[in-house]
Amino acid sequence: GQSLEQPSEVTAVEGAIVQINCTYQTSGFYGLSWYQQHDGGAPTFLSYNALDGLEETGRFSSFLSRSDSYGYLLLQELQMKDSASYFCAVRDNQAGTALIFGKGTTLSVSS
Amino acid sequence: DVKVTQSSRYLVKRTGEKVFLECVQDMDHENMFWYRQDPGLGLRLIYFSYDVKMKEKGDIPEGYSVSREKKERFSLILESASTNQTSMYLCASSESGTGAKSPLHFGNGTRLTVT
Repeated sequence: GQSLEQPSEVTAVEGAIVQINCTYQTSGFYGLSWYQQHDGGAPTFLSYNALDGLEETGRFSSFLSRSDSYGYLLLQELQMKDSASYFCAVRDNQAGTALIFGKGTTLSVSS
Repeated sequence: DVKVTQSSRYLVKRTGEKVFLECVQDMDHENMFWYRQDPGLGLRLIYFSYDVKMKEKGDIPEGYSVSREKKERFSLILESASTNQTSMYLCASSESGTGAKSPLHFGNGTRLTVT
């Protein structure tokens, strides 16, 4: 089976940088994804890493190390609107299409 | 933009009722999924479908069934609702393939309460 571990809560102030870590155990690996979910809203896709290294999209970056079964989401220049839950997810090996999600990290950004 | 529409935002049902949750997507996606979301447990996969009339069990299929008679519609059925099925249910769709080429697009969810 698959399992993903990420911190349950992270707090930071506006303008800061925060890193949300994710470690995974999978029988196969098809890439690590990140999703954002605001309170009361639907999860939305943020980023995807299939290969080792850093992927940057504006203020958000995502990193993957396959040898360490580890990745992180880096949020820079934090804004109040970044307060949300963040989920890492991997493809289910047996299915190949379904995503298995971590339990989520709640990020609270204060002024 | 992809739109995934769930028929009800809030639903209250009684124990033992048969419950249907409907989901429709408008982007001709091959894959559709049902997750439930509970505090502290994240999103857990119930069932998914990669084609019409095809279905695969996820991590927690017990007490649920699904139907996909048309490509755009994926229904989740609670055969006999129980209080432990009170939850937020999220439907999603994606293109075939993996990775960034096929991210999941979620509906806004149905909050089901079983009393």
